Amino acid sequence: NAGVTQTPKFQVLKTGQSMTLQCAQDMNHNSMYWYRQDPGMGLRLIYYSASEGTTDKGEVPNGYNVSRLNKREFSLRLESAAPSQTSVYFCAAGRLGTGELFFGEGSRLTVL
Amino acid sequence: AQKITQTQPGMFVQEKEAVTLDCTYDTSDPSYGLFWYKQPSSGEMIFLIYQGSYDQQNATEGRYSLNFQKARKSANLVISASQLGDSAMYFCAMREGSNFNKFYFGSGTKLNVKP
Repeated sequence: NAGVTQTPKFQVLKTGQSMTLQCAQDMNHNSMYWYRQDPGMGLRLIYYSASEGTTDKGEVPNGYNVSRLNKREFSLRLESAAPSQTSVYFCAAGRLGTGELFFGEGSRLTVL
Repeated sequence: AQKITQTQPGMFVQEKEAVTLDCTYDTSDPSYGLFWYKQPSSGEMIFLIYQGSYDQQNATEGRYSLNFQKARKSANLVISASQLGDSAMYFCAMREGSNFNKFYFGSGTKLNVKP
């Protein structure tokens, strides 16, 4: 039982390059999330998907796009990476009812 | 205003002692959930414990308990019999109502357990 799986775990990009972070969950939860974690700033919500077929902006969506491919998968795309997007990215799946989030292991992205 | 406030950036505790990590929250929604997560140095976020706003009793999960004081809007995490493996960052979080995007995290407390 893998829970929430993110790939890649590490990535180095040059400014202007694009990439996609992949996330898949086998927990059968409807809602999925992308957060970024910066030193001293806790976790900030980038985008979320309440259910398959829907996506919405969170607190810091600029520079990102998402796709909820199906119930299991929720990807995050950086179209033109900037150094300000250097961060650790977490994907999460949310339990219906109590709402707790279950996180992937994180993806460390560095933009040079 | 901050939704979640953790006032202790860092704490030390002796192995086998109990420790309390503070968390206060701010919401006017009568329905909310409170959570604690642990983030070890390896980086993953581990769910520890949940308390619902309508729950009458304090939540407990093994050595973790949540001291829920609704009137004071506090949700402190108590770790009993600290172990070296408890050294980590701890985040308090709140889900407000049933809104999917209203899930707020505090800035965290770094706990160091001394042998």
